[in-house]
Amino acid sequence: KQEVTQIPAALSVPEGENLVLNCSFTDSAIYNLQWFRQDPGKGLTSLLLIQSSQREQTSGRLNASLDKSSGRSTLYIAASQPGDSATYLCAVQETSGSRLTFGEGTQLTVNP
Amino acid sequence: NAGVMQNPRHLVRRRGQEARLRCSPMKGHSHVYWYRQLPEEGLKFMVYLQKENIIDESGMPKERFSAEFPKEGPSILRIQQVVRGDSAAYFCASSPESGFTYNEQFFGPGTRLTVL
Repeated sequence: KQEVTQIPAALSVPEGENLVLNCSFTDSAIYNLQWFRQDPGKGLTSLLLIQSSQREQTSGRLNASLDKSSGRSTLYIAASQPGDSATYLCAVQETSGSRLTFGEGTQLTVNP
Repeated sequence: NAGVMQNPRHLVRRRGQEARLRCSPMKGHSHVYWYRQLPEEGLKFMVYLQKENIIDESGMPKERFSAEFPKEGPSILRIQQVVRGDSAAYFCASSPESGFTYNEQFFGPGTRLTVL
């Protein structure tokens, strides 16, 4: 059974810092991995999707890497801003079209 | 292209009543997924449907819960005889046919169910 773990559970940083969020999964036979952002009381916004054959994806100040063999992914946020404050969720999909298995999330607070 | 739509956004029911949650996938998407987020917990998969077919319902509670995605109209998640433990945020996601855009799932804003 696939399990996804995110560390840390919560993170508080001053504005402008670069930061790394971690995600690990127990079964390396995945199809893809997605990073999402969830604001309080809101839905999920997809940030980045990495196919199993890819090593990283970039979008603006965000960079996600994937090491499938070790079962790990990181989300790097450069020059953090207060607007980045949210919960960040990592999810893996094991086969094409199948369910997503989510981690518990990292709650990020960026202080002005 | 409108995103995934869910309604109602908030739903209040008394114990024993029925709750019906609706999800309209993005245009051109034929795969629908339902997830539940209990208070202070992560998102958990419930059911995966394609038009008129349930593909995977392994995450659905065995009793009181059912889902459908008819040929016409939205997908419906139905909870009969609701109990307080059903209070949660229910999210719907959709994705296109396999082979397109790596099956990325796009989420709706969720329905927040409160059972009194």
